[in-house]
Amino acid sequence: DAKTTQPPSMDCAEGRAANLPCNHSTISGNEYVYWYRQIHSQGPQYIIHGLKNNETNEMASLIITEDRKSSTLILPHATLRDTAVYYCIVRVRWGDFGNEKLTFGTGTRLTIIP
Amino acid sequence: EPEVTQTPSHQVTQMGQEVILRCVPISNHLYFYWYRQILGQKVEFLVSFYNNEISEKSEIFDDQFSVERPDGSNFTLKIRSTKLEDSAMYFCASNGLAGRIDTDTQYFGPGTRLTVL
Repeated sequence: DAKTTQPPSMDCAEGRAANLPCNHSTISGNEYVYWYRQIHSQGPQYIIHGLKNNETNEMASLIITEDRKSSTLILPHATLRDTAVYYCIVRVRWGDFGNEKLTFGTGTRLTIIP
Repeated sequence: EPEVTQTPSHQVTQMGQEVILRCVPISNHLYFYWYRQILGQKVEFLVSFYNNEISEKSEIFDDQFSVERPDGSNFTLKIRSTKLEDSAMYFCASNGLAGRIDTDTQYFGPGTRLTVL
């Protein structure tokens, strides 16, 4: 029951902005968009999340379309250390079981090219 | 910066043996989770734990699995009789501060690689 669709892989030149798209056309009004990444087999690392407004933190920016059916994660100046699998996840924050579990898809494998 | 820690980083065991994977969640977090990732596959939810009870569990989390918070800092996952198919990376995560609904972001530990021979 994939709620999100992401391209399986992308390349980006080092120093350029990496733009990772995510489609979530069935997103509900109370669902947030979360981004995590996983470098090699390390634990998933939280990047950013948002509901409907664009968000920015020290790692990335998140642009959510006005209809909320898609979003883009932007890494402004990609480095080799940004090579990872990036996961876009939609979820409510607090559900019937308290804090809602994360459901990971297959993500986008981003390769930063020197 | 606070972080989730896990021990051991790698555990090798014989099929049928019991293993205990340990996690120290971020201090003051109230919600705890275990996920696993079989090599080359997706990260899968196993169980969530709050207030000394299981909140939710997946189909994977059968009677061979159990979780415990034995003291104020550790959170453990026990597999009673390991199978070959239990070989995977196991990740612990935590979140949630008392009275703060904005602290729902889950933070993951580095994982324990379990190899069942």
